[in-house]
Amino acid sequence: SQTIHQWPATLVQPVGSPLSLECTVEGTSNPNLYWYRQAAGRGLQLLFYSVGIGQISSEVPQNLSASRPQDRQFILSSKKLLLSDSGFYLCAWSVDNSPLHFGNGTRLTVT
Amino acid sequence: AQSVSQHNHHVILSEAASLELGCNYSYGGTVNLFWYVQYPGQHLQLLLKYFSGDPLVKGIKGFEAEFIKSKFSFNLRKPSVQWSDTAEYFCAVIFSGTYKYIFGTGTRLKVLA
Repeated sequence: SQTIHQWPATLVQPVGSPLSLECTVEGTSNPNLYWYRQAAGRGLQLLFYSVGIGQISSEVPQNLSASRPQDRQFILSSKKLLLSDSGFYLCAWSVDNSPLHFGNGTRLTVT
Repeated sequence: AQSVSQHNHHVILSEAASLELGCNYSYGGTVNLFWYVQYPGQHLQLLLKYFSGDPLVKGIKGFEAEFIKSKFSFNLRKPSVQWSDTAEYFCAVIFSGTYKYIFGTGTRLKVLA
């Protein structure tokens, strides 16, 4: 069966520090991978998505970036965090246009 | 730009009342449509989906939604809500020719016992 792992579950980082959130999918090949940020009253904001290794589409200009070094690995990064980067980050996958399968999320607090 | 709108941000109903949550998208092409629900403290889960065929789709827990192409809408309905339906509901659209999966801002439903 397919599973998605996202870590860490919570993270507290100071302003200006780097960020690396990792997401891996098991049990499926060539998934479409997504990073979202969920904030109260704003729904799920699509940050990045990828349809293949090394292919990244960015939806929101900001100081975050994403990479897909392997077929089932998706990484969200920042060189220098801002206070406004605080939030709940969700990784998700799908195949073709099937419903999304979500990870457990990462609660990021930038202090 | 492709977008999804949910106009009702907060809805409060009494048990047994009927529910209709609006969802509209801005795109003239083919879309796949979804409704997700997030119960307090839990993860998002799929309520129902529409890909093609009968525009009236039925999902879990007595929910249904109707796709009206001419109105670019995919409204969620339930004839009689229960206290356990208290949750946040998200409409989502994936646009043909892309793999962009876009969500609305969500509607928080509170059902009073």
